[in-house]
Amino acid sequence: QSILTQPPSVSGAPGQRVTVSCTGSSSSIGAPYDVHWYQHLPGSAPKLLIFGNNNRPSGVPDRFSGSKSGPSASLAITGLQAEDEGDYYCQSFDSRLNGFVFGTGTKVTVL
Amino acid sequence: EVQVLESGGGLVQPGGSLRLSCAASGFTFSWFAMTWVRQAPGKGLEWVSTIHDDGVGIFYADSVRGRFTISRDNSGNTLYLQMNRLRTDDTAVYYCSKAAGATTGNYYFDYWGQGALVTVSS
Repeated sequence: QSILTQPPSVSGAPGQRVTVSCTGSSSSIGAPYDVHWYQHLPGSAPKLLIFGNNNRPSGVPDRFSGSKSGPSASLAITGLQAEDEGDYYCQSFDSRLNGFVFGTGTKVTVL
Repeated sequence: EVQVLESGGGLVQPGGSLRLSCAASGFTFSWFAMTWVRQAPGKGLEWVSTIHDDGVGIFYADSVRGRFTISRDNSGNTLYLQMNRLRTDDTAVYYCSKAAGATTGNYYFDYWGQGALVTVSS
């Protein structure tokens, strides 16, 4: 069962900035283990978007950024584009479960 | 180019078994941990299991521990997931992914396959 909580949905107009929150606990994000973010577009494999809290893999636009504070983390998307519409997941490790955990997922909608 | 390709999915009856394979290429397979992640219909991503590069360190989600076994063949660049005593709630697309990161607790999954569909139904 996921113990990283995300809002079910966020939306914004093209060009706007949206944020997706990810709330964990003292045994996961607050432990502190790193937080990573994935983009999952319909019909595609999940794609790594942010690793190590705030690092972008090669090829990921700088419109995507990550941050972390205590037991929570956030993904920000600036200059929202239609192609950003999809599901976004945070991921970390939980020492109580001795395993990895994904967030509940957030659907980003471009209005 | 890094590639991981799953195979072995299909339809199986409750209580049955199935083995998934994941063929890896484009990187030194024996240097990296590997992971299985699944997504049930209409649900989010769920981590299933991770195996260290040497095959010794192994981790399972509570939902599959005791029923699923992860293994790897470093000489053949292949990851496996043996699934026994399958249940209807194991129905999902199963993704193979390469892990990266300096320590186990900070692993992230940087390359993913397209997934293999496993349907458990009578």
